[in-house]
Amino acid sequence: DAGVIQSPRHEVTEMGQEVTLRCKPISGHDYLFWYRQTMMRGLELLIYFNNNVPIDDSGMPEDRFSAKMPNASFSTLKIQPSEPRDSAVYFCASSLSGQRHGYTFGSGTRLTVV
Amino acid sequence: AQKVTQAQTEISVVEKEDVTLDCVYETRDTTYYLFWYKQPPSGELVFLIRRNSFDEQNEISGRYSWNFQKSTSSFNFTITASQVVDSAVYFCALSLYNSNSGYALNFGKGTSLLVTP
Repeated sequence: DAGVIQSPRHEVTEMGQEVTLRCKPISGHDYLFWYRQTMMRGLELLIYFNNNVPIDDSGMPEDRFSAKMPNASFSTLKIQPSEPRDSAVYFCASSLSGQRHGYTFGSGTRLTVV
Repeated sequence: AQKVTQAQTEISVVEKEDVTLDCVYETRDTTYYLFWYKQPPSGELVFLIRRNSFDEQNEISGRYSWNFQKSTSSFNFTITASQVVDSAVYFCALSLYNSNSGYALNFGKGTSLLVTP
């Protein structure tokens, strides 16, 4: 199994530009999570999906952030327009049937907004 | 509400010393899972262990051991005979089901461990 695959690994963009982060979960996993890691706030949950349906997006910072999961094998996190304070590492994770089987994280996308 | 506290922000030890990383959690639920993850300098999050709330048996895996005590709401992690490769940030996390956050993981702030030769 290739694990959770995120792309790109690094992204540098200018303030105001649109940024799209991508995630391919492990095949067969029914939960997908997007986390953001910053020095100040640590690891915080942004949104999670169950069977492709967004369940809780209360962690999404503001309307500039949106996430989609059009099918079981692909999810995107979009920031439009991006701001310097969005600079962080964004992790995607997937799990099977909740927490009983653990969570597998992708390698993360390091986003820098200048 | 649930919360995970890792009071130790940074720990520095010399190679071959034993080191314990503390984790205290808060929850009113009786069913929950506790996790430890390792984040080496390369940045990925590596799963170390999962323990459910009904299993207080301590676990040992090589140089790693975990002490789960529900009476004190703690899930501490000990590395025996530490090595330079153990240098990383270690996260404790709690997962329980609720109508808002489902099965999402709640992470502590992490403990940065530095092992020097």
